[in-house]
Amino acid sequence: KAGVTQTPRYLIKTRGQQVTLSCSPISGHRSVSWYQQTPGQGLQFLFEYFSETQRNKGNFPGRFSGRQFSNSRSEMNVSTLELGDSALYLCASSTEGTDTQYFGPGTRLTVL
Amino acid sequence: GENVEQHPSTLSVQEGDSAVIKCTYSDSASNYFPWYKQELGKGPQLIIDIRSNVGEKKDQRIAVTLNKTAKHFSLHITETQPEDSAVYFCAASSWGYAGGTSYGKLTFGQGTILTVHP
Repeated sequence: KAGVTQTPRYLIKTRGQQVTLSCSPISGHRSVSWYQQTPGQGLQFLFEYFSETQRNKGNFPGRFSGRQFSNSRSEMNVSTLELGDSALYLCASSTEGTDTQYFGPGTRLTVL
Repeated sequence: GENVEQHPSTLSVQEGDSAVIKCTYSDSASNYFPWYKQELGKGPQLIIDIRSNVGEKKDQRIAVTLNKTAKHFSLHITETQPEDSAVYFCAASSWGYAGGTSYGKLTFGQGTILTVHP
């Protein structure tokens, strides 16, 4: 079974721009969680989607948003990019009724 | 909210030695404790996990112990090999806990850089 895939793997943007990252979960997995990983803050939870609904949200500003499609693929969007948004963005998927999460390789976002 | 503390931040061992990484958590509602291994340029890989109704779990050279009373859990790696070198993260979740808001949320420790010298 294929693992979690994320596209693109690398992205360079400038301050003020917006960006959209994509995540395809493991086949059959309906829950997708997003995390931001930085050297200073570590791994921090952004939000979780299940059946196209956001069920949980972390402590990030409204510039960070997401959505999930009927095929469980998910996207996250960051508007008005700031230098501090430079990070590795990871998504993880899990099956219904479990909290065991499997991570993708991440998208490395650099904001200049 | 949940807070997870992980120690040590770096750990250097000789090949064949054992390595132990410890984590403490703050939320008594936490009931799921996974461990992840992250290699350079890759996403975290789940290596073992334990639930609050179990005190110990073992998978070949890797074991995890949980002390609910003290709110701490540990990762034990025996007979370490150079390919075990990576960053290890512990995490905690209270998924499914009545009244909890933990859907899809893992709270991670700060990570331990493990280096195994040949």
